[in-house]
Amino acid sequence: DAGITQSPRHKVTETGTPVTLRCHQTENHRYMYWYRQDPGHGLRLIHYSYGVKDTDKGEVSDGYSVSRSKTEDFLLTLESATSSQTSVYFCAISPGLARVGSYEQYFGPGTRLTVT
Amino acid sequence: GDSVTQMEGPVTLSEEAFLTINCTYTATGYPSLFWYVQYPGEGLQLLLKATKADDKGSNKGFEATYRKETTSFHLEKGSVQVSDSAVYFCVWTDSWGKLQFGAGTQVVVTP
Repeated sequence: DAGITQSPRHKVTETGTPVTLRCHQTENHRYMYWYRQDPGHGLRLIHYSYGVKDTDKGEVSDGYSVSRSKTEDFLLTLESATSSQTSVYFCAISPGLARVGSYEQYFGPGTRLTVT
Repeated sequence: GDSVTQMEGPVTLSEEAFLTINCTYTATGYPSLFWYVQYPGEGLQLLLKATKADDKGSNKGFEATYRKETTSFHLEKGSVQVSDSAVYFCVWTDSWGKLQFGAGTQVVVTP
């Protein structure tokens, strides 16, 4: 199994509070991704990173920010959590982009976030 | 716009039955295609992939063939086991190289 951990694994928070989720990898992969999984939507990309301090938006980035100060860590922050952000969040890593070399993405175990 | 459509679940079948999950895509160019599987309580993992037309991906008894003429990538397994119960995602790469996921199909295999 690829060395990816996510923390916390479960979190309940109140509307309006800030929340930070952490993804940690031990594979030294260049690319890291944050997805959210909701019923009927599959996984949707929130943000991704292609190197230290290099990040870009995905299709559902509103209300989220990310940071990557080290190769191994990719943080997802909800500045002011809303109930619509209740979801399961997955981190993924890959050595390259899928288009270039059909690189596999390796997924973490997920974080279940509930915003009340 | 570009997208992938897969059959809705849940798909319920008995052990040793034949499984097919349909997947069709609409995309410009020639995307790479994948099937990912998510077992209960876990993250996703790659099941198989195909990078060009007529490629056949296979793994763990599952197969899927990249059909450019029908823009399809249907997943098949000849004899399912209870351990195959999971959610299966048809996935393709967009023009930027990022993955685009179908909605997922839940498969339930009963003894």
